Amino acid sequence: KAGVTQTPRYLIKTRGQQVTLSCSPISGHRSVSWYQQTPGQGLQFLFEYFSETQRNKGNFPGRFSGRQFSNSRSEMNVSTLELGDSALYLCASSRDGNTIYFGEGSWLTVV
Amino acid sequence: DAKTTQPNSMESNEEEPVHLPCNHSTISGTDYIHWYRQLPSQGPEYVIHGLTSNVNNRMASLAIAEDRKSSTLILHRATLRDAAVYYCILRSPPFTAGGTSYGKLTFGQGTILTVHP
Repeated sequence: KAGVTQTPRYLIKTRGQQVTLSCSPISGHRSVSWYQQTPGQGLQFLFEYFSETQRNKGNFPGRFSGRQFSNSRSEMNVSTLELGDSALYLCASSRDGNTIYFGEGSWLTVV
Repeated sequence: DAKTTQPNSMESNEEEPVHLPCNHSTISGTDYIHWYRQLPSQGPEYVIHGLTSNVNNRMASLAIAEDRKSSTLILHRATLRDAAVYYCILRSPPFTAGGTSYGKLTFGQGTILTVHP
């Protein structure tokens, strides 16, 4: 069974640009969550979507947004990129809430 | 979310058992104890979870103190592939479709486990 798939795996953007990251959850999983991982702050929860609705949101500025489509695929967008947004962005999906499955992440570098 | 405390790092030799401790003195009666690990250059991976009783699965065992203020993740025979950061996480139910904890994990700093050949 295919795992959580994230694209692109690596990307470089310039300050002020915006970026869209994509996530395909495991088939049958309706919950998709996003996390940011940096050396300084560790793993931090961004937001969660379930059946196209945002259920939960972490403590991040409004520049970070996301959405979920009817096929459970999800995208997250970061606008007006800052150097501090350089991070590994992880997507995770879950079927029952007990076990959460993570993708390998998208490495974003902002220059 | 209630807070957990883990040692920053631990070391083990290959094929020896490893006991990774976690303190959670402010755990509530309904909080579940979850463990995830993150191997280098990968996303976190679910290991095990429990509420009150000790739990076993193919990856590890989870021993929970009687007062639930601490728990220990046990790797019975460490391999080089077990070298990772191990996170002990408390999760509040309900884990239902309407629950706000459904897809949310609050990670601490975790324990870096080094396994020596």
